[in-house]
Amino acid sequence: GAVVSQHPSWVICKSGTSVKIECRSLDFQATTMFWYRQFPKQSLMLMATSNEGSKATYEQGVEKDKFLINHASLTLSTLTVTSAHPEDSSFYICSARFNTDTQYFGPGTRLTVL
Amino acid sequence: TQLLEQSPQFLSIQEGENLTVYCNSSSVFSSLQWYRQEPGEGPVLLVTVVTGGEVKKLKRLTFQFGDARKDSSLHITAAQPGDTGLYLCAGALRTDKLIFGTGTRLQVFP
Repeated sequence: GAVVSQHPSWVICKSGTSVKIECRSLDFQATTMFWYRQFPKQSLMLMATSNEGSKATYEQGVEKDKFLINHASLTLSTLTVTSAHPEDSSFYICSARFNTDTQYFGPGTRLTVL
Repeated sequence: TQLLEQSPQFLSIQEGENLTVYCNSSSVFSSLQWYRQEPGEGPVLLVTVVTGGEVKKLKRLTFQFGDARKDSSLHITAAQPGDTGLYLCAGALRTDKLIFGTGTRLQVFP
């Protein structure tokens, strides 16, 4: 099956700092990557859709200047949480898709902002 | 806003029992996927159903896509503790986004 990795798996940072999360498709080229956020005991909420070489499309209510997405290649997308605050603490999950509706998910990154 | 409602929200059963999880929407989906997620991990794909009325079996799990492609069900036969987890349905829209269901948290006790 398709493998998607995320790095780091967890990160703790101070309020006001920026944190970068990487998402890589290891054995396939992803036409599209997606970033989700998941609060405890809740379902996944789509934050943005990222296509290689073009600007990300953000969902309503997601601040694009707060959550910077860069899709540098067909195997790598990054999410940078800028000037993080405690309310940004969450489980961030990426997924990658190629030529079908099926998305393959990374293992997630737990962000804790102190 | 497209919504995918799952029921029940929580299910706590004994090993060996059968169960069914439902996923309902007013939207029509081009396909629907079922995932299982364990704490601290990403969702793992179980199955994708595409055709209205389609039934797929994966060992003790049976998935059905509604005729109108608006709803789906997951039936587990003889549940085992290893089936414990968060089950998520997700419908694919023509916009290539996935809309996730509200989730069903299953606990199977030995």
